[in-house]
Amino acid sequence: DAKTTQPNSMESNEEEPVHLPCNHSTISGTDYIHWYRQLPSQGPEYVIHGLTSNVNNRMASLAIAEDRKSSTLILHRATLRDAAVYYCILRTLSSNTGKLIFGQGTTLQVKP
Amino acid sequence: DTGVSQDPRHKITKRGQNVTFRCDPISEHNRLYWYRQTLGQGPEFLTYFQNEAQLEKSRLLSDRFSAERPKGSFSTLEIQRTEQGDSAMYLCASSLLRASREKLFFGSGTQLSVL
Repeated sequence: DAKTTQPNSMESNEEEPVHLPCNHSTISGTDYIHWYRQLPSQGPEYVIHGLTSNVNNRMASLAIAEDRKSSTLILHRATLRDAAVYYCILRTLSSNTGKLIFGQGTTLQVKP
Repeated sequence: DTGVSQDPRHKITKRGQNVTFRCDPISEHNRLYWYRQTLGQGPEFLTYFQNEAQLEKSRLLSDRFSAERPKGSFSTLEIQRTEQGDSAMYLCASSLLRASREKLFFGSGTQLSVL
């Protein structure tokens, strides 16, 4: 599986936008970019995923570089409830297993 | 909202004892996954089922670990002769096979402490 690289931690102020980067220089053409987050004392939860085009949903936006070697998860207005570990994960479309391989993720702190 | 349910939430046991955890997935989901997570690390894949068939097991899953999913519904994860190194959060997830749109839904986990 292709690997991703994320900063260990980031800080943000409440109600400001947050840009969480992810590098995946060895991404292949069939790899989807998935983001999950894990709030304290909970299991991970799905945030967003994409292949080539930028994606938006009610939780976040995903901006994918033109060469697909990096992506950015954007939280438009951080709240205290967004404090979590954010995982960027590559998943091959052709894979016959749905398993996700988690890295260490980025711990996001949101300051009031 | 009937999400993924795990039982118990916490388990304290003595080294050498056997423990069993249960996971109830979202009802129409045909895939079920078990992960283990230690403090400060991301979840590590252990095994997964499609319906009742166990299709993949990680090398992390020693012969003391066994998982079942009878009838393709709930699943159990048993650890025999527990060791202190087994102390971790055990997470269960389920999904509906949908190729690229497949999303995993996780339970809140079972925290195991081996004394």
